[in-house]
Amino acid sequence: DAGVIQSPRHEVTEMGQEVTLRCKPISGHDYLFWYRQTMMRGLELLIYFNNNVPIDDSGMPEDRFSAKMPNASFSTLKIQPSEPRDSAVYFCASRGLLNTEAFFGQGTRLTVV
Amino acid sequence: GNSVTQMEGPVTLSEEAFLTINCTYTATGYPSLFWYVQYPGEGLQLLLKATKADDKGSNKGFEATYRKETTSFHLEKGSVQVSDSAVYFCALRHDYKLSFGAGTTVTVRA
Repeated sequence: DAGVIQSPRHEVTEMGQEVTLRCKPISGHDYLFWYRQTMMRGLELLIYFNNNVPIDDSGMPEDRFSAKMPNASFSTLKIQPSEPRDSAVYFCASRGLLNTEAFFGQGTRLTVV
Repeated sequence: GNSVTQMEGPVTLSEEAFLTINCTYTATGYPSLFWYVQYPGEGLQLLLKATKADDKGSNKGFEATYRKETTSFHLEKGSVQVSDSAVYFCALRHDYKLSFGAGTTVTVRA
């Protein structure tokens, strides 16, 4: 398996624009997680899905953030409108039911100017 | 709530030195514990794990023992290499979610 695949690897956008981050989890994994990493706050869990259903979105910072998982092999994290304080590295991770650990993608480095 | 506290860095060492990064946790029940490593520009990779008390996780010369009595999971390596330079994260899994420590940046000089 190629592992968790995220795209794009880097995104630079202007304030106010819509940003969509994409994630393909490892095939067969039941859980998908979106994390945000910043220097100030470290790694924060934004939302996670189980079998494509959002289970806990308490970490989503505000209504500008939304996440979907239309099928078992694809998830998106959308920010609309984007703000400079959203600049961070966003990681997607997945985990199988029988795994204890999560597997991370390479991350998307988002810069909002 | 469930949380992890790890030693703040940065840590700078010479090659072949001994490395310890302290990690303590707060959790209800019996969480699984992990150390993840992040190399520059990359995502997090699992380094080692332990799922119950007294388990020892080990990988690439790194070790950590799950100590329930002290709620700790300290990471150790006896002789570090330049290639071990990275950010190390302690984490616990409880109720399907991973909670991470703040990360410790380790730099090994030749």
